[in-house]
Amino acid sequence: NAGVTQTPKFHILKIGQSMTLQCTQDMNHNYMYWYRQDPGMGLKLIYYSVGAGITDKGEVPNGYNVSRSTTEDFPLRLELAAPSQTSVYFCASSYSKGRGTYGYTFGSGTRLTVV
Amino acid sequence: DQQVKQNSPSLSVQEGRISILNCDYTNSMFDYFLWYKKYPAEGPTFLISISSIKDKNEDGRFTVFLNKSAKHLSLHIVPSQPGDSAVYFCAASAFKSSGDKLTFGTGTRLAVRP
Repeated sequence: NAGVTQTPKFHILKIGQSMTLQCTQDMNHNYMYWYRQDPGMGLKLIYYSVGAGITDKGEVPNGYNVSRSTTEDFPLRLELAAPSQTSVYFCASSYSKGRGTYGYTFGSGTRLTVV
Repeated sequence: DQQVKQNSPSLSVQEGRISILNCDYTNSMFDYFLWYKKYPAEGPTFLISISSIKDKNEDGRFTVFLNKSAKHLSLHIVPSQPGDSAVYFCAASAFKSSGDKLTFGTGTRLAVRP
């Protein structure tokens, strides 16, 4: 049982370039999330999805896009990368029975540097 | 606006003693609270949670206390072990208004000295 898998683990991106961070979960979780963590800061929610075909913005969505075509996959797209997007990105999933009592399962993160 | 606050960025404790990590929140709609533990180069892992209808939840060496009137919760680790050295995040959700989305604190780095 792999849980939540994120790729790549590290990446250096040039300003203005685009890339997609991949996230896959094999637990049949209905909810998926993308967070970013900046040094000395908590995790900030970028986007989330409550099921295939349904996505919504979180606290810091600007500069990002997501899609959820399947239950398993929730890729995060960075368009026109900026240095402010240098961060560690975490994908997470959860099985919501309407109470969220099971907590999130996180991936190991993608460390992204924009130069 | 930091709705979940962990005012101590770091804590150092002797092995075998108690570790107490604190968390304060401002949103009175929060009704479910969780603690996550994070090792370097890994994602956070779920540790323990508590519903607002309780004031204490215990799981082995870990106990979470909730004081709703003070909007404060704490995580007690007894006895502390070197393997507990990690960053601990407090998180909260307001299910009725925002579903299962979690709001995280900034974390406290715990170092347990042998």
